[in-house]
Amino acid sequence: EAGVTQFPSHSVIEKGQTVTLRCDPISGHDNLYWYRRVMGKEIKFLLHFVKESKQDESGMPNNRFLAERTGGTYSTLKVQPAELEDSGVYFCASSRAGGLREQYFGPGTRLTVT
Amino acid sequence: GNSVTQMEGPVTLSEEAFLTINCTYTATGYPSLFWYVQYPGEGLQLLLKATKADDKGSNKGFEATYRKETTSFHLEKGSVQVSDSAVYFCALSPNAGNNRKLIWGLGTSLAVNP
Repeated sequence: EAGVTQFPSHSVIEKGQTVTLRCDPISGHDNLYWYRRVMGKEIKFLLHFVKESKQDESGMPNNRFLAERTGGTYSTLKVQPAELEDSGVYFCASSRAGGLREQYFGPGTRLTVT
Repeated sequence: GNSVTQMEGPVTLSEEAFLTINCTYTATGYPSLFWYVQYPGEGLQLLLKATKADDKGSNKGFEATYRKETTSFHLEKGSVQVSDSAVYFCALSPNAGNNRKLIWGLGTSLAVNP
């Protein structure tokens, strides 16, 4: 079974530009999570999808961030326009439905905004 | 609110030394507790978990016991190996309804020297 994949692995953009991160969860996993780790700080929850619906988006920093999961498969996280403080590593995780299921993590996307 | 406090690193040990990484938490209700590990160049992996008080999670020689009275979940290993060099993260899930988001500590970097 393929693991969680994320694309790109690295992205360097200038302030004000737009970037779209993609996450492909493990096939059959209804739950999809986005997290972010800013350098020197703890990993922070951003949002949680159940299939195509947003279950919890309480961690989204502001309206420059837009997450989608069309069709309940892969998800995208768009940052527009990017700011310097958006730099960090963005992790995606997926899990099966029901109960306390293990979250499987992707390798992360390292975003650098200059 | 919910939070996790983890001892700061980096921690440097010699092979076969005893390891303790302290983790304490603040939570409402009855959270589940986790240790994740990130090996160099890899994604986050679940190392062990405990879902209720006095549960002991164990894996790969690592152990942690869910102590509700001290709100702690310290990670221990009796004899570390060079291959244990990684960053270790303590995390909790509030277990509130369908929300399974993870709340994280800062991470502790461990380097084991031969």
